[in-house]
Parts: sequence; structure tokens; C-alpha cells
Amino acid sequence: AQKITQTQPGMFVQEKEAVTLDCTYDTSDPSYGLFWYKQPSSGEMIFLIYQGSYDQQNATEGRYSLNFQKARKSANLVISASQLGDSAMYFCAISSNTGKLIFGQGTTLQVKP
Amino acid sequence: KAGVTQTPRYLIKTRGQQVTLSCSPISGHRSVSWYQQTPGQGLQFLFEYFSETQRNKGNFPGRFSGRQFSNSRSEMNVSTLELGDSALYLCASSRDTELAGVGDEQFFGPGTRLTVL
Repeated sequence: AQKITQTQPGMFVQEKEAVTLDCTYDTSDPSYGLFWYKQPSSGEMIFLIYQGSYDQQNATEGRYSLNFQKARKSANLVISASQLGDSAMYFCAISSNTGKLIFGQGTTLQVKP
Repeated sequence: KAGVTQTPRYLIKTRGQQVTLSCSPISGHRSVSWYQQTPGQGLQFLFEYFSETQRNKGNFPGRFSGRQFSNSRSEMNVSTLELGDSALYLCASSRDTELAGVGDEQFFGPGTRLTVL
């Protein structure tokens, strides 16, 4: 069975600073994908970044980057130059070839002005 | 390109009633998945439909069911509602191509917030 663990229920960061949100995973599948989603208070899940298990390089998307350490089974999200609009809930998720995402419990990020 | 739409956005029902939620995927997307989000259990996978067939199912009782139509639109139904069914129900669609594989990004709708009284 696949499992995602997000150990930080809540995080604070000062505007314009960088922040790292932790994610560790467990899976026996040889091929899998790791996703990060943002959920503002409105409820909609917004895709941020994706990392494939066989990707050699860490994924980056604008201010988002994924620190992927396969041997440690971790896929931490790094947000650079935080903005007030980054305040939201962040979810790490894992997928296999089944059309199913397994989510962690999420981390609430608050950006302070 | 229109995103995933879900109707209704808000719903209030009483225990014992049944409810049907609707999801229209992004045009061209063939896979539709449903998730339940509650404060206690977090985000949990309900089921996934592809080409009108349920392809994958989560660990929910038989009161939860769904279907997919030929145009990929999907509905989920919850019968004999319980207080614990109060949740945000999220629908997600994906292209589901062989190239995408495990990297098949799921695009989520705004959700239906169901309250059971």
C-alpha cells in the first residue's frame, strides 16, 4: 500500500523568504509519481509540481521546486520568495498506474507580511 | 479551455436521504476520479471511472456509487446519508494516456460541499 506522511501541520514564513514543506512516502511500486497541490480556502485543488520516480533531475515550476531524494523516500516542496497569496493548505500525493492519488494530511502555510 | 465543473457547489440534506453529485471533466479527458475530504480523515479516494467503467475503487461502503456517461461526465450517488458523510467531494479529471502513465496530472474541480443534518 502507498502512504504519504506530512509531519508539519502548520508552518509560518515571512513574505519574500523561502520555505520547505516536508513530505515522505512509502510505496512498493517501482514506478510512481509524486505531486504537490495547493488548496486555498475556496477548496479547489491547484496542481503545483510533479516528480516522476525515474526522473533524474529535481522538478521545478517557477517559484516551486521539488527536492526529491529517492533513497530517503522524500519529496519536499520548496517555495522561494513567498507571497501573501501562497497562504493555503499544501498536499503531497503519490500515484501509481491506477488513476488514484494517495494524499498526505496536508500542511497549512501562513505567509506573514 | 473550460476546467472541471461540479454541481451543485453546496448541498444540505438530512440523514437517510440520498444525493447525486455531478462532475463534467475537461474536454478530452477520459478519466474521472472522486475524492472525499473531511477534517478528520483528510482526502480519501472514492473511485475512478474510465470509458464508462469503474476502474478503481477506494475503501468506502456500498452506499457510495458512481457512474460515467459516454461523454465522460460522471455522477456519484450516496444513499441513506449519514452525518459522517458531511464533506467536500472533489472530482478530478485526467487525460489518461499511455504516455502520461504515473505522471498523469489530475485536474480538480471546485468541489461540492455536502452537509448532512
